[in-house]
Amino acid sequence: GNSVTQMEGPVTLSEEAFLTINCTYTATGYPSLFWYVQYPGEGLQLLLKATKADDKGSNKGFEATYRKETTSFHLEKGSVQVSDSAVYFCALSDPTGGFKTIFGAGTRLFVKA
Amino acid sequence: DADVTQTPRNRITKTGKRIMLECSQTKGHDRMYWYRQDPGLGLQLIYYSFDVKDINKGEISDGYSVSRQAQAKFSLSLESAIPNQTALYFCATSDGEMNTEAFFGQGTRLTVV
Repeated sequence: GNSVTQMEGPVTLSEEAFLTINCTYTATGYPSLFWYVQYPGEGLQLLLKATKADDKGSNKGFEATYRKETTSFHLEKGSVQVSDSAVYFCALSDPTGGFKTIFGAGTRLFVKA
Repeated sequence: DADVTQTPRNRITKTGKRIMLECSQTKGHDRMYWYRQDPGLGLQLIYYSFDVKDINKGEISDGYSVSRQAQAKFSLSLESAIPNQTALYFCATSDGEMNTEAFFGQGTRLTVV
């Protein structure tokens, strides 16, 4: 079936460091891909998305490129801030089963000042 | 007001009790979902509903039931709560298109003692 695998956390970085969180997926069709972020005590909110191969999603300095050949959608940011500390979820919209969203396990990011 | 509202936000209940978690949305979306979040396991889909008359089991539906009272309301029940149902529960909505995001409530933290 369809699934999403992302790197285990926690990831701890110093402020202004470069961030990469790896995400790979398995899908039978051509899904849309998403990154959601969950700040402490809150629900998930969309960070960015990409709907087809080679698309790049970007928001708030984060970006991710839909790589069909490697079935990946890695999240990157050039310079993290303390306020980026959160849990990040990679997800896909399942083209089979009515486009319900399937999530990865989440990666917790801690950014130190 | 939030687009997706969950009540209660926190609940402690005893083993064997029946409990209902409620979700309402003002997005006008047809699709609603209940997810469970456990540390390190990401979000697991409990039930989802594509419209008022269409309810489907997700990955982990055992021990849970749902009711879609109206387009805007989707409630989750634990018929006889057990301690391993202690978790954070999220309701979400989407409009059913592959490329669009899911919108989440702020979550209900349930503790079964």
